[in-house]
Amino acid sequence: AQSVSQHNHHVILSEAASLELGCNYSYGGTVNLFWYVQYPGQHLQLLLKYFSGDPLVKGIKGFEAEFIKSKFSFNLRKPSVQWSDTAEYFCAVKAGGGYQKVTFGTGTKLQVIP
Amino acid sequence: GAVVSQHPSRVICKSGTSVKIECRSLDFQATTMFWYRQFPKQSLMLMATSNEGSKATYEQGVEKDKFLINHASLTLSTLTVTSAHPEDSSFYICSARLAGGLETQYFGPGTRLLVL
Repeated sequence: AQSVSQHNHHVILSEAASLELGCNYSYGGTVNLFWYVQYPGQHLQLLLKYFSGDPLVKGIKGFEAEFIKSKFSFNLRKPSVQWSDTAEYFCAVKAGGGYQKVTFGTGTKLQVIP
Repeated sequence: GAVVSQHPSRVICKSGTSVKIECRSLDFQATTMFWYRQFPKQSLMLMATSNEGSKATYEQGVEKDKFLINHASLTLSTLTVTSAHPEDSSFYICSARLAGGLETQYFGPGTRLLVL
């Protein structure tokens, strides 16, 4: 079964700082990878996803993530964060092909200080 | 588009009673809906997968007789917590996958259950 690790539980950044949130997964086969975001008081929303093709995926609001197969990683990045990026971010992985459940990481709370 | 609603958003009940939570896809058809439980400072734990017109598939360790799931239509799935106990207090989140969609799930806002 696949598992997902998010090493940073709580990150505090100043506005305009660069962001990188780590995500590592364990599964040897083809995977689909996701980053979801949960803004305060709101429900989970898809930020970006990787199914195949270019391993550098661009999502909404200036976020991007890079799939590095050899490292089993799918780190989320943003060059310059804003106060409005304050939220909790969840990495998720699904074993590719047919029906498989999506496994979520424990989440990273990002706090951006104005 | 792709909005999922849950009702109620919060519920407080007495121990021993049953609580029903509804999950609706408002502007799309969802052949598959998922029910998650989220504990404080922990990840979303998949409880069960609900397919329209068939029995739900429960994850290991989830009691199907306690957490009854019904997916009667392409836009509605319900989770009933039967004979609720205080340890069932949690945040329950549903998600829906577009019929024929590429694995993307759309999440509801969650339901906070408190069992006294």
